[in-house]
Amino acid sequence: AQSVAQPEDQVNVAEGNPLTVKCTYSVSGNPYLFWYVQYPNRGLQFLLKYITGDNLVKGSYGFEAEFNKSQTSFHLKKPSALVSDSALYFCAVRPLLGGQNFVFGPGTRLSVLP
Amino acid sequence: DAGITQSPRHKVTETGTPVTLRCHQTENHRYMYWYRQDPGHGLRLIHYSYGVKDTDKGEVSDGYSVSRSKTEDFLLTLESATSSQTSVYFCAISVGLGGAETQYFGPGTRLLVL
Repeated sequence: AQSVAQPEDQVNVAEGNPLTVKCTYSVSGNPYLFWYVQYPNRGLQFLLKYITGDNLVKGSYGFEAEFNKSQTSFHLKKPSALVSDSALYFCAVRPLLGGQNFVFGPGTRLSVLP
Repeated sequence: DAGITQSPRHKVTETGTPVTLRCHQTENHRYMYWYRQDPGHGLRLIHYSYGVKDTDKGEVSDGYSVSRSKTEDFLLTLESATSSQTSVYFCAISVGLGGAETQYFGPGTRLLVL
């Protein structure tokens, strides 16, 4: 069975510093990997995805994520955090041969301190 | 929110009462999903639909039923609401082809069962 882990419930970072939100996954075969962000009282917004090709994926709002097959990880990064990046972040996986269904991680709350 | 609306946005109901949540999309996407979001669990799939009158169960389908009589509408019904069904419910659609599909989410419905 596929699963997604986000080992940190909470990440705190100072504004202007680089940020990393971690994600590891377990899936049979090759996965499609996604990051979503959720602001208070809103639905999830798509940030970026890895399908194939370059292991470094660039997405919305200056975010990027690095796919590491050997470590089964897909960490979300941003070179310089903004206070407005404070939100709940979800990693998700969809197996290549698993139909349309996604599996989501539990979420990581990012707080960027001014 | 990707042309997806959910109604109602908030609802308070009593245990044992039937409840129906509606998801409406405007772009004729084939796949639609219902998730629930609970702290520490991320999003968990309740049911999904791959076409009119074609639905299937997700991870946490007990106590829920769905119907899709038109492409644009996907209804989630709690036949007899319980306090454990207090949650935030999100509808999603799947967009794209050839394995690169991405899910986009509605704004959510906050349900409180007393």
